[in-house]
Amino acid sequence: AQSVSQHNHHVILSEAASLELGCNYSYGGTVNLFWYVQYPGQHLQLLLKYFSGDPLVKGIKGFEAEFIKSKFSFNLRKPSVQWSDTAEYFCAVNVPAGKSTFGDGTTLTVKP
Amino acid sequence: DSGVTQTPKHLITATGQRVTLRCSPRSGDLSVYWYQQSLDQGLQFLIQYYNGEERAKGNILERFSAQQFPDLHSELNLSSLELGDSALYFCASSPRDRGFEQYFGPGTRLTVT
Repeated sequence: AQSVSQHNHHVILSEAASLELGCNYSYGGTVNLFWYVQYPGQHLQLLLKYFSGDPLVKGIKGFEAEFIKSKFSFNLRKPSVQWSDTAEYFCAVNVPAGKSTFGDGTTLTVKP
Repeated sequence: DSGVTQTPKHLITATGQRVTLRCSPRSGDLSVYWYQQSLDQGLQFLIQYYNGEERAKGNILERFSAQQFPDLHSELNLSSLELGDSALYFCASSPRDRGFEQYFGPGTRLTVT
C-alpha cells in the first residue's frame, strides 16, 4: 500500500522567508500528487496537483511544487510567505488502483 | 465554497448512541470520500463510493458504515459511539473514481460526551 511522509510537523517562519515543505511517498508506479491547504477553522482546499508533464507545477497563491520521480518526492515551495499562509498543509497521493492517501500534515505558522 | 455540503455542522451526542452524517457532492461528481480528522490521528481516509458502489476502504471501524444513494448523496453512520470517535468528519467529492483532485466539504464536528 502507498504511504505519504511529511517530515516537518511544525514550521515557523517570519514573513518574507522562503518555504519548502517536504513530501515523500512510497509507491512504485504512476501516481497523481496533490497539495492541499487547510486554513484555521476551514476545510481542505486544493493548492496544486501533478498528473503528468512538466514536473514543476504552479498552484494558487504563489505556491509551486516539484515532482522528482527518482526521489519519490513532491516538495512544496513558496519564495516569500505571508502571514495569511498560516495553515496546515497536506500532501496526498492517488494511485490508479487504490485510494487517496494523505500525509500527517505540516502546520505552518508565519510570524508577522 | 467547494460545492460540497455537509450536515449537520455540529453534533453532540452521548456514548453508545448512533448518528448519521450527510454529504451532498458537487454537481456532476460521482465519487464521494469520507475522512476522519482528529488531533492525535491526523486525516484518516475512511471509505470511498463511486456512483453508488463502494470503491475503496480505509481505516473504517466496523461500527461505522456508509452508503451512497441514487441521487449521489452519501451518509456515514456511526454507531455505539465512544469518546474517541469525537473528531471532524469530512466528506469530499471528485468527478471520477480515481486520479482526480478532491473537493472537500466544511465538515461535521462530532463531540461524544
